[in-house]
Amino acid sequence: KNEVEQSPQNLTAQEGEFITINCSYSVGISALHWLQQHPGGGIVSLFMLSSGKKKHGRLIATINIQEKHSSLHITASHPRDSAVYICAVLRGSGNTPLVFGKGTRLSVIA
Amino acid sequence: NAGVMQNPRHLVRRRGQEARLRCSPMKGHSHVYWYRQLPEEGLKFMVYLQKENIIDESGMPKERFSAEFPKEGPSILRIQQVVRGDSAAYFCASTGTGSSYEQYFGPGTRLTVT
Repeated sequence: KNEVEQSPQNLTAQEGEFITINCSYSVGISALHWLQQHPGGGIVSLFMLSSGKKKHGRLIATINIQEKHSSLHITASHPRDSAVYICAVLRGSGNTPLVFGKGTRLSVIA
Repeated sequence: NAGVMQNPRHLVRRRGQEARLRCSPMKGHSHVYWYRQLPEEGLKFMVYLQKENIIDESGMPKERFSAEFPKEGPSILRIQQVVRGDSAAYFCASTGTGSSYEQYFGPGTRLTVT
């Protein structure tokens, strides 16, 4: 079993829909990243969070440390949101390598 | 205000050749991580370096792969005698030494072995 599990693996939505991507992890962490990767493109960090909730534009990330679960929400989805969204955790404290989920491939159709 | 730089962005090598991938961290950052993304697979950690030191190379194949981060210049990931299975996207990320351990990613190098 992977240390970081994401669901769903693939998601297709109509433009304007509210989208939720889930991430569960089985190890102790100090922080969690949500990353975005467009096809053939680089990786952009959307959020790093260790508790509570963060919001940036139409994106919202939440984390529940006790339940070892995080969600990424996209409100009013748009075709340009189509990308792979990756959950990654920082195990332990300090500078440590990230452990990644396999990603959720999102397609938003106009 | 340059971010993490990687070059080349695309690299084609024939089987048996050497590949050298370069990563320049963000200004002020002294920690570099290399990750590999195989086709249709998730990202996997390879090696973590600080200036002149390899801190953790537990994710790096024992043979043909090496990494360095000299006092001056970029970090280099070197793959000797490349094979088709080395075809992948290689990303580096950097962090600073402050209290935030957020990793900033470079654009990646896409290696194709023919």
